[in-house]
Amino acid sequence: DAEITQSPRHKITETGRQVTLACHQTWNHNNMFWYRQDLGHGLRLIHYSYGVQDTNKGEVSDGYSVSRSNTEDLPLTLESAASSQTSVYFCASSAGTGIYEQYFGPGTRLTVT
Amino acid sequence: ELKVEQNPLFLSMQEGKNYTIYCNYSTTSDRLYWYRQDPGKSLESLFVLLSNGAVKQEGRLMASLDTKARLSTLHITAAVHDLSATYFCAVVSGSARQLTFGSGTQLTVLP
Repeated sequence: DAEITQSPRHKITETGRQVTLACHQTWNHNNMFWYRQDLGHGLRLIHYSYGVQDTNKGEVSDGYSVSRSNTEDLPLTLESAASSQTSVYFCASSAGTGIYEQYFGPGTRLTVT
Repeated sequence: ELKVEQNPLFLSMQEGKNYTIYCNYSTTSDRLYWYRQDPGKSLESLFVLLSNGAVKQEGRLMASLDTKARLSTLHITAAVHDLSATYFCAVVSGSARQLTFGSGTQLTVLP
């Protein structure tokens, strides 16, 4: 069955370190998204991609970057982790046509100390 | 800028009762999605509403969309404990592939 996975599921890191969160989908979806979820803010879009070599900034992109070298993967990098980036991160994907329903990964809980 | 507002944000209800969650959005859109999230879990798609007047039902949940009023409702009929979760609505914006989420409604069904 097609799925979307994230790794690691939990991560503790120190302020200033570079961190990369992985997202892998086997739906063959063109569109991929990264969100963060914080209490009181719902889900906020960080970055998104509509295909290989395409990346775009979302609402809260400062301090984050993504790259898309193939259809299946969209890794999220925190260049220099800050305590304000402690959050739960969700990756999602959707087809390039049709109803654009997004399917979510299981999430990564990141703690920056 | 698209804004999506849900109310209430918190809802406690007795088993067997009915209630409605509201989702208002600020700009024209003809696609709206409802998701469910259990504590510590990911988001699960519940309904996709694609046109004005669309109505979808699954078990005790029914969702509807009024694009003219920019309003969607999620109606709960005869609530049961298993429905306790956080419910999010999300609206398509921009290029029709991005979603803007409401803040979520945390539903607790009490025995």
